[in-house]
Amino acid sequence: ETGVTQSPTHLIKTRGQQVTLRCSSQSGHNTVSWYQQALGQGPQFIFQYYREEENGRGNFPPRFSGLQFPNYSSELNVNALELDDSALYLCASSGDRASYNEQFFGPGTRLTVL
Amino acid sequence: DAKTTQPTSMDCAEGRAANLPCNHSTISGNEYVYWYRQIHSQGPQYIIHGLKNNETNEMASLIITEDRKSSTLILPHATLRDTAVYYCIVRVRGGGADGLTFGKGTHLIIQP
Repeated sequence: ETGVTQSPTHLIKTRGQQVTLRCSSQSGHNTVSWYQQALGQGPQFIFQYYREEENGRGNFPPRFSGLQFPNYSSELNVNALELDDSALYLCASSGDRASYNEQFFGPGTRLTVL
Repeated sequence: DAKTTQPTSMDCAEGRAANLPCNHSTISGNEYVYWYRQIHSQGPQYIIHGLKNNETNEMASLIITEDRKSSTLILPHATLRDTAVYYCIVRVRGGGADGLTFGKGTHLIIQP
């Protein structure tokens, strides 16, 4: 059984640029959620994808967008990067609806915006 | 989701049982208690969940009071690798696509 993987591990961008982060779900999972974790804080929910459709979103602006592919892998795109976007970005996958809350997290991508 | 309250930090000696409390006095009848932990520089890890009965798995035990207003996560024989931030989350099982709400959690430090 393959766990959740994310790429890249670290990334440095400058303000105003765009970034794409990638996530591969755990085998058999069809739901992917993305979280942002600022230093010293708990993870904050960005959005969730189920069968290639966004079906839930947290309090993040539209410049945060995503995609889920037929193999259930996912991308998080952030446009017009701001300094406050510097954070650890976490991807989590889960299985059927009953187990939505038993999420399996990847190691995260550390994004630094200069 | 019901609000939870946890101590900011706790210490425990290696080899002893670590007991992490969580208060959730506004929990609804259909809300479960979930526990996650996050070891430094890693993603959160699901530990256990329960509704009203006590639960045990290979990682931990979860004790929920009869009135369900509080719970305790027990790590029976803590090791240095259990040093992490532990999050208690209350949520309806299977409901909602609005993600998990992580608070600040309890920073558990296992002392050698």
